[in-house]
Amino acid sequence: QSALTQPASVSGSPGQSITISCTGTSSDVGGYNYVSWYQQHPGKAPKLMIYDVTNRPSGVSNRFSGSKSGNTASLTISGLQAEDEAEYYCNSYRDSSPPLYVFGTGTKVTVL
Amino acid sequence: VQLVESGGGLVQPGGSLRLSCAASGFTFSNFWMNWVRQAPGQGLEWVANIKYDESATYYVDSVKGRFTISRDNAKNSLYLQMDSLRAEDTAVYYCARDSSSTGGLDSWGQGTLVTVSS
Repeated sequence: QSALTQPASVSGSPGQSITISCTGTSSDVGGYNYVSWYQQHPGKAPKLMIYDVTNRPSGVSNRFSGSKSGNTASLTISGLQAEDEAEYYCNSYRDSSPPLYVFGTGTKVTVL
Repeated sequence: VQLVESGGGLVQPGGSLRLSCAASGFTFSNFWMNWVRQAPGQGLEWVANIKYDESATYYVDSVKGRFTISRDNAKNSLYLQMDSLRAEDTAVYYCARDSSSTGGLDSWGQGTLVTVSS
Protein backbone atom coordinates (compact mmCIF):
# COMPACT_ATOMS: atom_id res chain seq x y z
CA GLN A 1 0.00 0.00 0.00
CA SER A 2 1.44 3.39 -1.01
CA ALA A 3 2.24 5.96 1.64
CA LEU A 4 0.76 9.44 1.82
CA THR A 5 3.04 12.14 0.37
CA GLN A 6 4.76 14.66 2.64
CA PRO A 7 7.63 17.07 1.92
CA ALA A 8 10.94 15.65 3.10
CA SER A 9 11.85 18.75 5.06
CA VAL A 10 10.46 22.08 6.25
CA SER A 11 12.36 24.73 8.17
CA GLY A 12 11.62 27.99 9.93
CA SER A 13 13.03 30.46 12.42
CA PRO A 14 11.87 30.66 16.03
CA GLY A 15 8.53 32.44 16.27
CA GLN A 16 7.58 31.81 12.66
CA SER A 17 4.76 29.58 11.41
CA ILE A 18 5.27 26.58 9.18
CA THR A 19 2.86 24.22 7.42
CA ILE A 20 3.40 20.57 6.55
CA SER A 21 1.26 19.05 3.81
CA CYS A 22 0.02 15.47 3.50
CA THR A 23 -1.39 14.46 0.13
CA GLY A 24 -3.46 11.39 -0.48
CA THR A 25 -6.47 10.42 -2.56
CA SER A 26 -10.25 10.42 -2.37
CA SER A 27 -9.99 6.93 -0.83
CA ASP A 28 -8.16 8.19 2.22
CA VAL A 29 -7.43 11.83 3.11
CA GLY A 30 -10.06 13.28 0.80
CA GLY A 31 -12.81 10.85 1.66
CA TYR A 32 -12.74 10.73 5.45
CA ASN A 33 -12.05 13.06 8.36
CA TYR A 34 -9.77 10.47 9.94
CA VAL A 35 -6.39 12.17 9.56
CA SER A 36 -3.99 12.27 12.49
CA TRP A 37 -0.52 13.80 12.98
CA TYR A 38 2.42 12.53 15.04
CA GLN A 39 5.63 14.11 16.31
CA GLN A 40 8.67 11.90 16.79
CA HIS A 41 11.95 12.92 18.36
CA PRO A 42 15.01 10.73 17.67
CA GLY A 43 14.96 7.48 19.59
CA LYS A 44 11.50 8.17 21.03
CA ALA A 45 8.02 6.82 20.41
CA PRO A 46 5.68 8.95 18.30
CA LYS A 47 3.34 11.40 20.03
CA LEU A 48 -0.19 12.17 18.83
CA MET A 49 -0.57 15.89 18.02
CA ILE A 50 -3.83 16.05 16.02
CA TYR A 51 -6.62 13.52 15.37
CA ASP A 52 -9.74 13.57 13.19
CA VAL A 53 -8.16 16.35 11.07
CA THR A 54 -8.55 19.20 13.54
CA ASN A 55 -8.81 17.86 17.10
CA ARG A 56 -6.00 18.39 19.56
CA PRO A 57 -5.52 15.89 22.42
CA SER A 58 -5.39 17.20 25.94
CA GLY A 59 -1.93 18.52 26.77
CA VAL A 60 -0.88 19.35 23.22
CA SER A 61 0.01 23.00 22.69
CA ASN A 62 -2.52 25.14 20.81
CA ARG A 63 0.37 26.20 18.58
CA PHE A 64 -0.41 23.00 16.65
CA SER A 65 -3.43 23.00 14.36
CA GLY A 66 -4.77 20.79 11.59
CA SER A 67 -6.88 21.33 8.50
CA LYS A 68 -7.88 19.65 5.25
CA SER A 69 -8.75 20.72 1.73
CA GLY A 70 -9.66 18.11 -0.84
CA ASN A 71 -7.11 15.32 -0.82
CA THR A 72 -4.52 17.29 1.16
CA ALA A 73 -4.31 17.63 4.93
CA SER A 74 -2.05 20.13 6.66
CA LEU A 75 -0.39 20.60 10.03
CA THR A 76 0.49 24.15 11.01
CA ILE A 77 2.92 24.97 13.80
CA SER A 78 2.75 28.58 14.88
CA GLY A 79 5.27 30.38 17.10
CA LEU A 80 7.94 27.83 16.19
CA GLN A 81 10.11 26.75 19.12
CA ALA A 82 13.39 24.84 19.32
CA GLU A 83 11.59 21.85 20.92
CA ASP A 84 9.41 21.53 17.80
CA GLU A 85 12.40 20.24 15.83
CA ALA A 86 11.44 16.63 15.09
CA GLU A 87 10.04 14.29 12.45
CA TYR A 88 6.32 14.63 11.73
CA TYR A 89 4.06 11.98 10.21
CA CYS A 90 0.47 12.14 9.02
CA ASN A 91 -1.83 9.12 9.06
CA SER A 92 -5.18 8.43 7.43
CA TYR A 93 -7.83 5.77 7.28
CA ARG A 94 -7.94 4.27 3.77
CA ASP A 95 -11.09 2.72 2.36
CA SER A 96 -9.67 -0.35 0.72
CA SER A 97 -10.48 -4.05 0.88
CA PRO A 98 -9.88 -4.63 3.69
CA PRO A 99 -9.73 -1.15 5.22
CA LEU A 100 -6.45 -0.05 6.76
CA TYR A 101 -4.45 2.91 8.03
CA VAL A 102 -1.56 4.45 6.12
CA PHE A 103 1.19 6.80 7.28
CA GLY A 104 2.81 9.61 5.37
CA THR A 105 6.44 9.59 4.25
CA GLY A 106 7.49 11.89 7.08
CA THR A 107 8.73 15.49 7.27
CA LYS A 108 11.82 16.66 9.13
CA VAL A 109 11.16 20.03 10.76
CA THR A 110 14.27 22.09 11.41
CA VAL A 111 14.26 25.19 13.61
CA LEU A 112 16.92 27.52 12.22
CA VAL B 1 -1.82 4.88 30.66
CA GLN B 2 1.13 2.59 30.09
CA LEU B 3 2.00 0.18 27.31
CA VAL B 4 5.05 -2.08 27.61
CA GLU B 5 6.19 -4.25 24.71
CA SER B 6 8.35 -7.33 25.04
CA GLY B 7 9.46 -10.33 23.01
CA GLY B 8 11.73 -8.73 20.42
CA GLY B 9 15.11 -10.12 19.50
CA LEU B 10 17.26 -11.69 16.81
CA VAL B 11 15.66 -14.37 14.65
CA GLN B 12 16.73 -16.13 11.46
CA PRO B 13 14.83 -15.66 8.19
CA GLY B 14 11.86 -17.99 8.11
CA GLY B 15 11.66 -18.06 11.90
CA SER B 16 8.94 -16.98 14.31
CA LEU B 17 8.58 -14.54 17.15
CA ARG B 18 5.71 -13.52 19.43
CA LEU B 19 5.51 -9.95 20.65
CA SER B 20 3.50 -8.97 23.72
CA CYS B 21 2.20 -5.63 24.93
CA ALA B 22 1.11 -5.26 28.55
CA ALA B 23 -1.43 -2.49 29.10
CA SER B 24 -2.24 -0.70 32.34
CA GLY B 25 -3.93 2.45 33.57
CA PHE B 26 -7.04 2.22 31.41
CA THR B 27 -9.92 -0.12 30.52
CA PHE B 28 -8.12 -2.17 27.90
CA SER B 29 -11.28 -3.91 26.66
CA ASN B 30 -12.79 -0.59 25.50
CA PHE B 31 -10.19 0.27 22.85
CA TRP B 32 -9.02 -0.79 19.41
CA MET B 33 -5.31 -1.66 19.60
CA ASN B 34 -2.63 -1.43 16.92
CA TRP B 35 0.87 -2.55 16.01
CA VAL B 36 3.05 -0.04 14.16
CA ARG B 37 6.63 -0.65 13.05
CA GLN B 38 9.61 1.44 12.05
CA ALA B 39 12.54 -0.01 10.13
CA PRO B 40 15.96 1.44 11.02
CA GLY B 41 16.22 5.00 9.72
CA GLN B 42 12.83 4.74 8.02
CA GLY B 43 9.30 6.02 8.54
CA LEU B 44 6.34 4.60 10.40
CA GLU B 45 4.31 1.73 8.96
CA TRP B 46 0.94 0.62 10.30
CA VAL B 47 0.98 -3.18 10.62
CA ALA B 48 -2.31 -4.40 12.10
CA ASN B 49 -5.17 -3.61 14.42
CA ILE B 50 -7.80 -5.46 16.44
CA LYS B 51 -11.21 -4.38 17.63
CA TYR B 52 -11.86 -4.04 21.36
CA ASP B 53 -14.00 -7.24 21.43
CA GLU B 54 -11.66 -9.24 19.13
CA SER B 55 -14.41 -9.44 16.48
CA ALA B 56 -12.32 -7.80 13.74
CA THR B 57 -8.68 -7.71 12.70
CA TYR B 58 -6.97 -5.95 9.81
CA TYR B 59 -3.45 -6.18 8.35
CA VAL B 60 -1.19 -4.37 5.93
CA ASP B 61 -0.74 -6.48 2.77
CA SER B 62 2.95 -7.17 3.39
CA VAL B 63 2.26 -9.18 6.58
CA LYS B 64 -1.09 -10.76 5.70
CA GLY B 65 -0.96 -14.53 6.14
CA ARG B 66 2.29 -14.34 8.13
CA PHE B 67 1.39 -12.20 11.17
CA THR B 68 -1.53 -12.67 13.56
CA ILE B 69 -2.74 -10.00 15.96
CA SER B 70 -4.66 -11.10 19.05
CA ARG B 71 -5.57 -9.88 22.51
CA ASP B 72 -6.52 -11.21 25.91
CA ASN B 73 -8.79 -8.66 27.59
CA ALA B 74 -8.71 -10.60 30.86
CA LYS B 75 -4.93 -10.17 30.96
CA ASN B 76 -4.88 -6.64 29.50
CA SER B 77 -2.51 -7.86 26.84
CA LEU B 78 -1.99 -7.47 23.10
CA TYR B 79 0.01 -9.90 20.99
CA LEU B 80 1.60 -10.16 17.56
CA GLN B 81 2.54 -13.63 16.35
CA MET B 82 5.05 -13.25 13.55
CA ASP B 83 5.81 -16.27 11.34
CA SER B 84 7.86 -16.72 8.17
CA LEU B 85 9.91 -13.68 9.09
CA ARG B 86 11.88 -11.87 6.40
CA ALA B 87 14.79 -9.44 6.52
CA GLU B 88 12.39 -6.62 5.61
CA ASP B 89 10.45 -7.23 8.84
CA THR B 90 13.42 -5.89 10.79
CA ALA B 91 12.09 -2.92 12.74
CA VAL B 92 11.11 -1.49 16.08
CA TYR B 93 7.57 -2.65 16.78
CA TYR B 94 5.27 -0.37 18.78
CA CYS B 95 1.89 -1.17 20.25
CA ALA B 96 -0.49 1.78 20.32
CA ARG B 97 -3.97 2.54 21.61
CA ASP B 98 -6.58 4.05 19.31
CA SER B 99 -8.37 6.63 21.44
CA SER B 100 -10.96 7.65 18.88
CA SER B 101 -11.58 4.39 16.94
CA THR B 102 -10.59 6.47 13.88
CA GLY B 103 -6.82 6.06 13.96
CA GLY B 104 -5.86 8.60 16.57
CA LEU B 105 -3.15 6.63 18.36
CA ASP B 106 -2.84 8.50 21.64
CA SER B 107 -0.68 6.14 23.69
CA TRP B 108 2.41 4.24 22.54
CA GLY B 109 4.80 1.79 24.11
CA GLN B 110 8.56 2.26 24.06
CA GLY B 111 8.93 -0.27 21.25
CA THR B 112 10.71 -3.60 20.92
CA LEU B 113 13.37 -4.30 18.29
CA VAL B 114 12.98 -7.28 15.97
CA THR B 115 16.04 -8.18 13.88
CA VAL B 116 15.70 -10.79 11.16
CA SER B 117 19.13 -11.92 10.05
CA SER B 118 21.18 -15.07 9.54
